[in-house]
Amino acid sequence: GAGVSQSPRYKVAKRGQDVALRCDPISGHVSLFWYQQALGQGPEFLTYFQNEAQLDKSGLPSDRFFAERPEGSVSTLKIQRTQQEDSAVYLCASSFQTASYEQYFGPGTRLTVT
Amino acid sequence: GQNIDQPTEMTATEGAIVQINCTYQTSGFNGLFWYQQHAGEAPTFLSYNVLDGLEEKGRFSSFLSRSKGYSYLLLKELQMKDSASYLCAVSAWEGGKLIFGQGTELSVKP
Repeated sequence: GAGVSQSPRYKVAKRGQDVALRCDPISGHVSLFWYQQALGQGPEFLTYFQNEAQLDKSGLPSDRFFAERPEGSVSTLKIQRTQQEDSAVYLCASSFQTASYEQYFGPGTRLTVT
Repeated sequence: GQNIDQPTEMTATEGAIVQINCTYQTSGFNGLFWYQQHAGEAPTFLSYNVLDGLEEKGRFSSFLSRSKGYSYLLLKELQMKDSASYLCAVSAWEGGKLIFGQGTELSVKP
């Protein structure tokens, strides 16, 4: 069975460009999470969806970051006017339900802003 | 605030036992997870504790004490492939978002 997939796996953007990162969760998983992982650090929460509803976006670092999941499956994380500090691995995770259910992580998108 | 602490790095010998500690202070608690992450790869689930005590799964065991805000991951019969980063994470509320520690980089040497 397919796991969580993310695309692209690697993205190089020039400072000021907009980027869009895609996440395909495991089919049937209700919850979807985005995390940002800097080199040598643990993942940091960005935002959370339950089906199509974005229930928590408290971790988004600025209004340049925007996420959507319009049909409750595929999600897109968009970063506008990228800055060097946005360089990180962006991880997507999905789970069957919430709270006590393990989250299955995708391989991540490594974003480098030059 | 939310705080999860674990050692930055540890070294152990193949065939030995290693214990990775994690302490946490969070505004809520809905379970503690351990994940393994090899360099450049996705974190993979190892264990979940929500009640006090020890959970054993093959070579890996995880312990939780909620009153002390403390957990450990025990790895037995270490193999070279166990060299990886081990992430302690707390689910602090019902929504399920995870708060991660910085990870413990474990090096297993022959």
